Amino acid sequence: DVKVTQSSRYLVKRTGEKVFLECVQDMDHENMFWYRQDPGLGLRLIYFSYDVKMKEKGDIPEGYSVSREKKERFSLILESASTNQTSMYLCASIPSREIWTEAFFGQGTRLTVV
Amino acid sequence: AQTVTQSQPEMSVQEAETVTLSCTYDTSENNYYLFWYKQPPSRQMILVIRQEAYKQQNATENRFSVNFQKAAKSFSLKISDSQLGDTAMYFCAFQAGAGSYQLTFGKGTKLSVIP
Repeated sequence: DVKVTQSSRYLVKRTGEKVFLECVQDMDHENMFWYRQDPGLGLRLIYFSYDVKMKEKGDIPEGYSVSREKKERFSLILESASTNQTSMYLCASIPSREIWTEAFFGQGTRLTVV
Repeated sequence: AQTVTQSQPEMSVQEAETVTLSCTYDTSENNYYLFWYKQPPSRQMILVIRQEAYKQQNATENRFSVNFQKAAKSFSLKISDSQLGDTAMYFCAFQAGAGSYQLTFGKGTKLSVIP
């Protein structure tokens, strides 16, 4: 089975802190995504990556950056956390842009910024 | 840009009954894929069912089936013989065909199955 693992299920950080959310997938998938999930807003795409060191902005990239130094790992970085970034963050991966299959999701990280 | 609309924020259904969740979408693409994802209270999102736009036949997966109306840009999910384990958030999602990376999600429908 494909496994997408997010490093933390719950995080509490202070305003202004630099925050790293880590995601690892074990099936050699090319494409990885970071979504933010808020009640009544659904899932909104923050960033995605289709290859190592490649990244593209999604719909709401402001206040975030990403890093993909290895194929299996995709990190979301909050350079200076703010209270409006309190949310659920979901990582996902898919095998290839040429063969569309289902997306595989991590279990989510609930981030609270105080 | 594609948009996905789920007009029912919350729904409930009695155990063993049938329920239909609505989804409409807007796109100028002709080739695309549609999905229903389920997110149980434990939060791991999983695929329920998928539909390729070029296929006229509606997809079915056990108790889950879709009613795909391409001209109307409608993609509803029917759950038959509802079970307590079906309690979850359900998201409709759109993908614009081969070569596209992005999934566009609706805002979700919270389904509660009542014993």
